[in-house]
Amino acid sequence: ETGVTQTPRHLVMGMTNKKSLKCEQHLGHNAMYWYKQSAKKPLELMFVYNFKEQTENNSVPSRFSPECPNSSHLFLHLHTLQPEDSALYLCASSPGQGIGEQYFGPGTRLTVT
Amino acid sequence: DAKTTQPTSMDCAEGRAANLPCNHSTISGNEYVYWYRQIHSQGPQYIIHGLKNNETNEMASLIITEDRKSSTLILPHATLRDTAVYYCIVRGSYIPTFGRGTSLIVHP
Repeated sequence: ETGVTQTPRHLVMGMTNKKSLKCEQHLGHNAMYWYKQSAKKPLELMFVYNFKEQTENNSVPSRFSPECPNSSHLFLHLHTLQPEDSALYLCASSPGQGIGEQYFGPGTRLTVT
Repeated sequence: DAKTTQPTSMDCAEGRAANLPCNHSTISGNEYVYWYRQIHSQGPQYIIHGLKNNETNEMASLIITEDRKSSTLILPHATLRDTAVYYCIVRGSYIPTFGRGTSLIVHP
């Protein structure tokens, strides 16, 4: 248990569906991150939020839309995804952007059919 | 942030020490060395970090050379549950970048 939870743990969605991934951290951290990990590839940073403000968008397609309503919650809204978007989506938090170690959630295994 | 080089894979016998090397020859004075590991299909787990002194916690020890150009993560008594990908990351004030890491297999 890392103090970072993600729901759902598994998700199967069609290309025309809209779904959302949720991340919550109970560590009092101010920075939150979304990463994508495709099969046999390194983690790819997608978005960073620091004190609820988005500070990084790593050229992510607009079919991925993040939302950070407060420092404890982070969402990733998904719509019209492609099969190549199937991957493990990981959320992480740290005391501040670039400050301290990151704590990761267990991830959401997404399959796009 | 400085780039790191790690062996692609290593193996270790259960109960023996696992020594995982990392080269970071371009590290600068204010950059820390961090280690994480990722057990198959789980989120990465923070292990330990250091600046220039050796560090030890309940999980592992971190040995950093005097010139800081390389480091070694030591798991003193490896168990089967330590089988994972181990990432060495050097970072200053920015977001750490995860490379491919070292795949450690602990065998009976």
